[in-house]
Amino acid sequence: GNSVTQMEGPVTLSEEAFLTINCTYTATGYPSLFWYVQYPGEGLQLLLKATKADDKGSNKGFEATYRKETTSFHLEKGSVQVSDSAVYFCALSDPTGGFKTIFGAGTRLFVKA
Amino acid sequence: DSGVTQTPKHLITATGQRVTLRCSPRSGDLSVYWYQQSLDQGLQFLIQYYNGEERAKGNILERFSAQQFPDLHSELNLSSLELGDSALYFCASSVGASGRADTQYFGPGTRLTVL
Repeated sequence: GNSVTQMEGPVTLSEEAFLTINCTYTATGYPSLFWYVQYPGEGLQLLLKATKADDKGSNKGFEATYRKETTSFHLEKGSVQVSDSAVYFCALSDPTGGFKTIFGAGTRLFVKA
Repeated sequence: DSGVTQTPKHLITATGQRVTLRCSPRSGDLSVYWYQQSLDQGLQFLIQYYNGEERAKGNILERFSAQQFPDLHSELNLSSLELGDSALYFCASSVGASGRADTQYFGPGTRLTVL
């Protein structure tokens, strides 16, 4: 079946450090891939998405590239801020899975000033 | 603000009881999704409705049921509650029937505590 695997957290970084959160997926079809972010006390919100191989999603300085050959969608940011502290979820939506969205376990990021 | 509203924000009840969680989707969105978020299980998809009809089913227990009404709001009913049902319940909505690139917009959640 379809699944998403994310690196375990928490990840703790200093302000202005480089961020990478790894995400790999298993899908029977050709999924769309998403990163959602959950700030403390809030619901999830879409951060970025990509719908086909080699697409790069980007938003608020975050980027992720859909890599079909490695079945990965790693999240990166060149310089994190304290306000980026949140939980990040990788997710996929696969037409052969009935378009159910499958979420990874989430990775908590702490950014220190 | 995502435009998705959920009530109540908090709910405290006892084992064996029944509760109803309510969700109003964003204006124009036809799909509503329900998720359960707990510390040990992560974010679990429960069920999806599209324009009043059940569209997809996930790991929803038989004690749980949902429906979407003609005005597109949705309710999630949880019955015979157990301690393990304590969690955050999120509702999300999207425009379509969850096409490949459908973005889901999440509400703020209802925190259920079963004592």
